[in-house]
Amino acid sequence: GQNIDQPTEMTATEGAIVQINCTYQTSGFNGLFWYQQHAGEAPTFLSYNVLDGLEEKGRFSSFLSRSKGYSYLLLKELQMKDSASYLCAVRDSNYQLIWGAGTKLIIKP
Amino acid sequence: DAMVIQNPRYQVTQFGKPVTLSCSQTLNHNVMYWYQQKSSQAPKLLFHYYDKDFNNEADTPDNFQSRRPNTSFCFLDIRSPGLGDAAMYLCATSGDRVTGANVLTFGAGSRLTVL
Repeated sequence: GQNIDQPTEMTATEGAIVQINCTYQTSGFNGLFWYQQHAGEAPTFLSYNVLDGLEEKGRFSSFLSRSKGYSYLLLKELQMKDSASYLCAVRDSNYQLIWGAGTKLIIKP
Repeated sequence: DAMVIQNPRYQVTQFGKPVTLSCSQTLNHNVMYWYQQKSSQAPKLLFHYYDKDFNNEADTPDNFQSRRPNTSFCFLDIRSPGLGDAAMYLCATSGDRVTGANVLTFGAGSRLTVL
């Protein structure tokens, strides 16, 4: 079966850096997405990786290694508003999105 | 602003009483999706439309139906809600099903409570 694994919950301190990992086992690969979801709200798009390497976008960066079936989302200079769930999703060979359950990130002052 | 709008944001219904959730979009996107998301779980795709072409996921219960009368609107009908159907229902759109960074744009969601 297809599977996306992410830690359930992480805690970090305001101003610090946190890395949220995602490992995947899917039938083929056509891109990996990271979404942010605040409690009770809809997911919003953060990043997209289809080639190996690091994609940087402001305070957020996302890394992909296709050979390892691995990605991470790196958040720098954490702010209280970054408290949210972060969802990893992989598009498989049938172009279906396979979603992880999300990582709840708690930011402490 | 172009966007995806869902109504109602909160819906309370009784066990077995039909419910309809609506979604409208001003993005002129071809593809519309309905997801079910329960607390701390991954969004679960129920079905999607590519234009008028309806695609039902194999494990979507018959209790869930959908209509897309035109490009802008899509409806989710839950014919006989059970307690297990209490969830957030997310509507999303995308310009195309497969191309490149095919980003989904989500509505704010409709939270369904079943009493």
